[in-house]
Amino acid sequence: DAGVIQSPRHEVTEMGQEVTLRCKPISGHNSLFWYRQTMMRGLELLIYFNNNVPIDDSGMPEDRFSAKMPNASFSTLKIQPSEPRDSAVYFCASSPDSREFNEQFFGPGTRLTVL
Amino acid sequence: AQSVAQPEDQVNVAEGNPLTVKCTYSVSGNPYLFWYVQYPNRGLQFLLKYITGDNLVKGSYGFEAEFNKSQTSFHLKKPSALVSDSALYFCAVTYTGGFKTIFGAGTRLFVKA
Repeated sequence: DAGVIQSPRHEVTEMGQEVTLRCKPISGHNSLFWYRQTMMRGLELLIYFNNNVPIDDSGMPEDRFSAKMPNASFSTLKIQPSEPRDSAVYFCASSPDSREFNEQFFGPGTRLTVL
Repeated sequence: AQSVAQPEDQVNVAEGNPLTVKCTYSVSGNPYLFWYVQYPNRGLQFLLKYITGDNLVKGSYGFEAEFNKSQTSFHLKKPSALVSDSALYFCAVTYTGGFKTIFGAGTRLFVKA
C-alpha cells in the first residue's frame, strides 16, 4: 500500500500566485482531511470530505482557499492569491470511513513557502 | 467546548528510562482517544487508540497508554525509552456524534543517549 500521496513535496512561490496542492488518499478510504501545520498555530483542520462531499469547511481561512474532491482518489487544495502568511506545511489525511473511532493516515505533507 | 491539553511542550528522558507524555481531554459524549507521532519532515503516524474496554492500550514500537475516565487523561508511556523515540507526539480525541478530530498542541520528546 502506497499510503497517502501528496504533491508537490515542496512549493516555493511568490505572493499573489496561485498554488495547487494535490492529494491521493488510500484506496478504499471514504474520508479525507486537509490540515495546515505551523509553529504558531499547530495543526489546524481546514476541510473534511466524506464520500467526496465537503462536510465541514469552517476551518478554511478565507475565500482565497478552496478545496475539491472530484472523485474518490483525488483532492486538491487551492490558494489564490497566495500570501506570505500562508506559508506552512499542508497535510492530507484519509480514513476508512466517517466513524469517530477510526484513525487517520497522513501523507508526507507539502511545505509551502510564499515569498 | 471540546479540547485536548498536552501540558508539557517538551519531555527529556535518558535512554533506557521510562517515559510518560501527558494528555488530558474535555469532550461531551464518549471519547475516542489517539496518539500520533511525527518525525522530522514527515506526516503524523498513528501509534494507538482507545475506543472502549481495557483501559490499558498497547500500540506500535512498545508504546502504551492508559485511559483514566475519572481524571479525563490518556497518558502515553513506554517502559524503556530509545534515542529513536525522539519526535513530536500528538494526543487527539473524537467523541460520539462528532466527526472532527481535536489535536493537542504536541509534546516534543528528547531521549538522550
